[in-house]
Amino acid sequence: QQQVKQSPQSLIVQKGGISIINCAYENTAFDYFPWYQQFPGKGPALLIAIRPDVSEKKEGRFTISFNKSAKQFSLHIMDSQPGDSATYFCAASKDGTASKLTFGTGTRLQVTL
Amino acid sequence: NAGVMQNPRHLVRRRGQEARLRCSPMKGHSHVYWYRQLPEEGLKFMVYLQKENIIDESGMPKERFSAEFPKEGPSILRIQQVVRGDSAAYFCASTRGNTEAFFGQGTRLTVV
Repeated sequence: QQQVKQSPQSLIVQKGGISIINCAYENTAFDYFPWYQQFPGKGPALLIAIRPDVSEKKEGRFTISFNKSAKQFSLHIMDSQPGDSATYFCAASKDGTASKLTFGTGTRLQVTL
Repeated sequence: NAGVMQNPRHLVRRRGQEARLRCSPMKGHSHVYWYRQLPEEGLKFMVYLQKENIIDESGMPKERFSAEFPKEGPSILRIQQVVRGDSAAYFCASTRGNTEAFFGQGTRLTVV
């Protein structure tokens, strides 16, 4: 049973463009939604996270949009750069903490010149 | 300030052998989580430990897998009698309990 569905599986964006990755969750008890970036051979690193009391959070070029009624959240990467090429995972957990994260299946982003 | 340290980074075991994966959490972190990542998939929660206690092992296979986090030393994930299907990347994460989870670089286990 996959509780967090992520799309697309892969994404190619030109340098300077906007990358958009979407996630949908089923468990209404989830209340902490982080996004992780993973480079090959490395562990996931936290990019940005949101809690359901806000609909949007922005940090630099990264923005999370959150739609509680639709049980969906998305990551927008503005002005995408080749260095952003990595695999991105959305995740969710309960109790507002980073414990016992349920991950999406990942999106492999490639930013071309 | 060292991050989460995992070793070894790569481990090759023959079928039937034992694999021991070690994780030292970040300084000041007392909560450790183990996740498994199969190729081209997301991370799957395995177990959550605090010092000397297993808090949640709902993601651990019932047989051959065990985990501990002793009072002194790193957390250990132990896989007995490994099979080819155990080949995966195993990641450890640590938190203070209600904060950001920091992940180690993982141990890539290959069973031959």
